[in-house]
Amino acid sequence: RKEVEQDPGPFNVPEGATVAFNCTYSNSASQSFFWYRQDCRKEPKLLMSVYSSGNEDGRFTAQLNRASQYISLLIRDSKLSDSATYLCVVLRGGSYIPTFGRGTSLIVHP
Amino acid sequence: EADIYQTPRYLVIGTGKKITLECSQTMGHDKMYWYQQDPGMELHLIHYSYGVNSTEKGDLSSESTVSRIRTEHFPLTLESARPSHTSQYLCASSEGILEGKLFFGSGTQLSVL
Repeated sequence: RKEVEQDPGPFNVPEGATVAFNCTYSNSASQSFFWYRQDCRKEPKLLMSVYSSGNEDGRFTAQLNRASQYISLLIRDSKLSDSATYLCVVLRGGSYIPTFGRGTSLIVHP
Repeated sequence: EADIYQTPRYLVIGTGKKITLECSQTMGHDKMYWYQQDPGMELHLIHYSYGVNSTEKGDLSSESTVSRIRTEHFPLTLESARPSHTSQYLCASSEGILEGKLFFGSGTQLSVL
């Protein structure tokens, strides 16, 4: 079983839609959680950290469920510019090595 | 904007050649990483460093080596390139050990013929 698992998609949604991605992690000792965004042929960039109580940044909401070992990302009012791959990142417990999921591809169409 | 640089951006090379991929950062970050990524796939950690004179192997078995003689510089070397090494190589740094905010370079796309 992979340490961090994501549905690769693609998720194909119209502009203005709300879309949600989940990411599961296998190591219960995992320390910290993040969502990154990666555009085609570009490097990943941090989108947001994920806090235990859940957190919001504009149209983006991230949540953590430690009991079920998953994190989620909700995007409201999708824009064409949101089209990208969203990577789930988990800091491994003990070594604090950032471990990446395969990513979920989002395509927002007019 | 992140201050981490990778060169070359693209490299096409023949089998058996020795190559060094350069990575430099001007942020004074202690922790640095090398990841390998194939199209549509996850990033695989191949090497990391906690600071000067510290290097560790990552999860992905790799025939490459790294060095960390200076804080800002973390080059990756392949002694004998093979077609199986064809991939995108991404260098990253973070401010501290507990820090999950990584700054990535633009990557080196390596093609071994």
